[in-house]
Amino acid sequence: DAGVTQSPTHLIKTRGQQVTLRCSPKSGHDTVSWYQQALGQGPQFIFQYYEEEERQRGNFPDRFSGHQFPNYSSELNVNALLLGDSALYLCASSLGPGTGFTDTQYFGPGTRLTVL
Amino acid sequence: LAKTTQPISMDSYEGQEVNITCSHNNIATNDYITWYQQFPSQGPRFIIQGYKTKVTNEVASLFIPADRKSSTLSLPRVSLSDTAVYYCLVGEGFKTIFGAGTRLFVKA
Repeated sequence: DAGVTQSPTHLIKTRGQQVTLRCSPKSGHDTVSWYQQALGQGPQFIFQYYEEEERQRGNFPDRFSGHQFPNYSSELNVNALLLGDSALYLCASSLGPGTGFTDTQYFGPGTRLTVL
Repeated sequence: LAKTTQPISMDSYEGQEVNITCSHNNIATNDYITWYQQFPSQGPRFIIQGYKTKVTNEVASLFIPADRKSSTLSLPRVSLSDTAVYYCLVGEGFKTIFGAGTRLFVKA
C-alpha cells in the first residue's frame, strides 16, 4: 500500500519565479492538506482540499494556491517566489476533512524548495 | 483555538523511559489529542491519539487526566533511533496546528 508521495524531492528556483509541487495521497484517502515547514520550526498549515475544493486556509497570501484532481491528488502552486518561501513543503492526506475528533493525517516526505 | 505548550528539548539515555508532557488548557470538548514524531528532512509520523484516560499501542502510551488540560506521551526504553522532534496537537477542526515541538535527544 503506497503511502503519501510527493514530487519533486528537491527544487531550486529564483526570486519571482513560480513553482508547482505535487502530491498523491495515501490509497483510500480523499483529503489533502499542505504545510510549510521552515528550518527549526513546526509545520504551518497552508490549506486543505476536499472534494476538489479548498476547505480551509491558514495565514498564507494568495500567492499560494492549490488544486485537487478527481483522483484526489493535489498540486500546490506558489507565484512570485520570495527568499522567505524557502522551506520544506509537506503534503498530508486523511480520510474526510476532519472534525477535530480524529484528525489523523499521514504525511509525505516533503519537497525541499530553495529560493535564490 | 486550542494551544499547546511543550518543553523545547529533553535529553535521555538508551533504555530509559521518556515522558513528554504537553499542556492544552483550552482544549475543546470534542478535541482529540494527537502526537506526531518527526525525523530531520522527513514528514511527521503519527504516533498515538487519545481522548481521555490511557491509550497504549506498540510504540507508546498516552496518559490523559480527567480534566484533559494536559497529556503525557510515554516512550518505553528509548533507543538512539528515537532521537526526533515530538509534536503534541489537539483537534482544530479542519486545521491541524503544530507548535514548535519537543526535541528529544537520546544518548548512548
